[in-house]
Amino acid sequence: DTGVSQNPRHKITKRGQNVTFRCDPISEHNRLYWYRQTLGQGPEFLTYFQNEAQLEKSRLLSDRFSAERPKGSFSTLEIQRTEQGDSAMYLCASPPGGYNEQFFGPGTRLTVL
Amino acid sequence: DQQVKQNSPSLSVQEGRISILNCDYTNSMFDYFLWYKKYPAEGPTFLISISSIKDKNEDGRFTVFLNKSAKHLSLHIVPSQPGDSAVYFCAASVGRETSGSRLTFGEGTQLTVNP
Repeated sequence: DTGVSQNPRHKITKRGQNVTFRCDPISEHNRLYWYRQTLGQGPEFLTYFQNEAQLEKSRLLSDRFSAERPKGSFSTLEIQRTEQGDSAMYLCASPPGGYNEQFFGPGTRLTVL
Repeated sequence: DQQVKQNSPSLSVQEGRISILNCDYTNSMFDYFLWYKKYPAEGPTFLISISSIKDKNEDGRFTVFLNKSAKHLSLHIVPSQPGDSAVYFCAASVGRETSGSRLTFGEGTQLTVNP
């Protein structure tokens, strides 16, 4: 148990619906990352927060994706108008300050039918 | 552009023998490297890391070697145990001392340790 939690663990939705995932990082870690992993690939970077500020976004994060981290605590990742290509494992990671060893949550598995 | 590559999708070894997982990278700006282990339906678990100022780091049964001139790193597991069976990911980042360093991952290698 890394201390990073994600909810829900699994989400099945129909194409065109909106979904929202939540990540609760380790409380004293002020950095938070979102990654996406598809079958047979390694995790790919989506976006990064330093406290409540979203400092970097990947080009993978289309207009249908939005992430927030109110008050620098938990974070949410919303996907609007889901497409079948959005089916993946969405991972949240939280590193200790000053270190690059990122500790991952268990992930949210999204299936878009 | 795959900046971190793991060319072997799978590796099978006998229990007690050495497992060697390999990783190559192309971005010369990478200066910190990590290995993660992943079981199905779980997030990656951090194993071991190495800074570009070193060429070897050891932690118990796990040793990571870095060859900067060849842009190659490897993870040695000895002795291998059946519980080591998992997917292993190599990852790299820019800016060891800089906050905000995203990780770039390879495709992963499925290790199977046979009893």
